[in-house]
Amino acid sequence: QSALTQPASVSGSLGQSITISCIGTSNDIGGYKYVSWYQQHPAKAPKLMIYDVNNRPSGVSNRFSGSKSGNTASLTISGLQAEDEADYYCNSYTSSATLIFGGGTKLTVL
Amino acid sequence: EVQLLESGGGLVQPGGSLRLSCAASGFTFMNSAMSWVRQAPGKGLEWVSSIGGYGGATYYAHSVKGRFTISRDNSKNTLYLHMNSLRAEDTAIYYCAKGEVWFGESGMGYWGQGTLVTVSS
Repeated sequence: QSALTQPASVSGSLGQSITISCIGTSNDIGGYKYVSWYQQHPAKAPKLMIYDVNNRPSGVSNRFSGSKSGNTASLTISGLQAEDEADYYCNSYTSSATLIFGGGTKLTVL
Repeated sequence: EVQLLESGGGLVQPGGSLRLSCAASGFTFMNSAMSWVRQAPGKGLEWVSSIGGYGGATYYAHSVKGRFTISRDNSKNTLYLHMNSLRAEDTAIYYCAKGEVWFGESGMGYWGQGTLVTVSS
């Protein structure tokens, strides 16, 4: 099964908002509410930012939000800060009882 | 405080075997689904395998099914990944991650620091 499709890179200015898309199929994103998003800084372990489409773990800033429409999930970061610069990965449960990640998106804060 | 500490990585020849361990603390280990996720050098994340709480069901990525076995010892609060028939493309940092009761929902909220596996002759 191919990875979920994410843009390779996105950029935004300090204080602005950006959205990262994650395109799947009806066998993963479209079929379940189990989409999560991870942030990874260089040489660090991933960090869970959003789970089950639009839920934030305790301690994650409310500047991060998630949504889903059909086979596409989205992560929106508002009020961009310098520390948001990182790689972001989407993840979904699939009809094959597996998990699948997106290819990752590098966020640059200008 | 939740802590996950992986060990067992190293250099292994193609076709060889390796066992990774993940020592867990700071939470009720037996109740939690656990997963292995890997990241090849300079590449993205790839889910490898998950095991349900209580050591019930196991799940594998197509790329490792039949070669890797996930298991857990709830008495030792330890997760394992037994890797056989290793290939060059298995070279990666292997992360241990904690989920909730069922691996598919609620994401993986805690991660270890990873252990590097290098498959090369």
